[in-house]
Amino acid sequence: DQQVKQNSPSLSVQEGRISILNCDYTNSMFDYFLWYKKYPAEGPTFLISISSIKDKNEDGRFTVFLNKSAKHLSLHIVPSQPGDSAVYFCAASRGGSNYKLTFGKGTLLTVNP
Amino acid sequence: DSGVTQTPKHLITATGQRVTLRCSPRSGDLSVYWYQQSLDQGLQFLIQYYNGEERAKGNILERFSAQQFPDLHSELNLSSLELGDSALYFCASSPKGVLGGGELFFGEGSRLTVL
Repeated sequence: DQQVKQNSPSLSVQEGRISILNCDYTNSMFDYFLWYKKYPAEGPTFLISISSIKDKNEDGRFTVFLNKSAKHLSLHIVPSQPGDSAVYFCAASRGGSNYKLTFGKGTLLTVNP
Repeated sequence: DSGVTQTPKHLITATGQRVTLRCSPRSGDLSVYWYQQSLDQGLQFLIQYYNGEERAKGNILERFSAQQFPDLHSELNLSSLELGDSALYFCASSPKGVLGGGELFFGEGSRLTVL
């Protein structure tokens, strides 16, 4: 049973445009959500997070939106840059318990120059 | 560089064998997590240690075991290896072990190939 789902295995956008990566979750106990970025031959690196008490968190070109009623979150990258090309993992956890992240399968983002 | 070191980076072995993967967490981090990433799969949580004690267990097979030593480095032992155990094994660390929150810092992973 996959509790965190990223239904788009890949996404291709033009440089300068917006990239929108989506993530759905099924476990209503999740209350902390994170996005990780992974380049080939490297480990995942933290990008941005959001607590369930918020519906938006912004950090430079990256914004994460959370819709708790729909159990859906999205990552917006504006403007997209070729260096953003990577696999993006959505992850969720139950804060306050042992810190264990549940990951989606990832979305490969390609930003074309 | 996340500060988390994993060795070896690559490992090729045969079915039925046993291997040990090693992880050194970031300086000062007390928690170590092990994740497995198989082909076309997301990262699957295996196990977490905090200051030497097991804190959480995920989808870890009985053939697999782990431990965290007094110097906080951790080892993941995989035995009676099967073809399906071929995967990337990531170690991550964080300073928080109980209350959660905050990100994990991942190593570059150990790629295990079982032939």
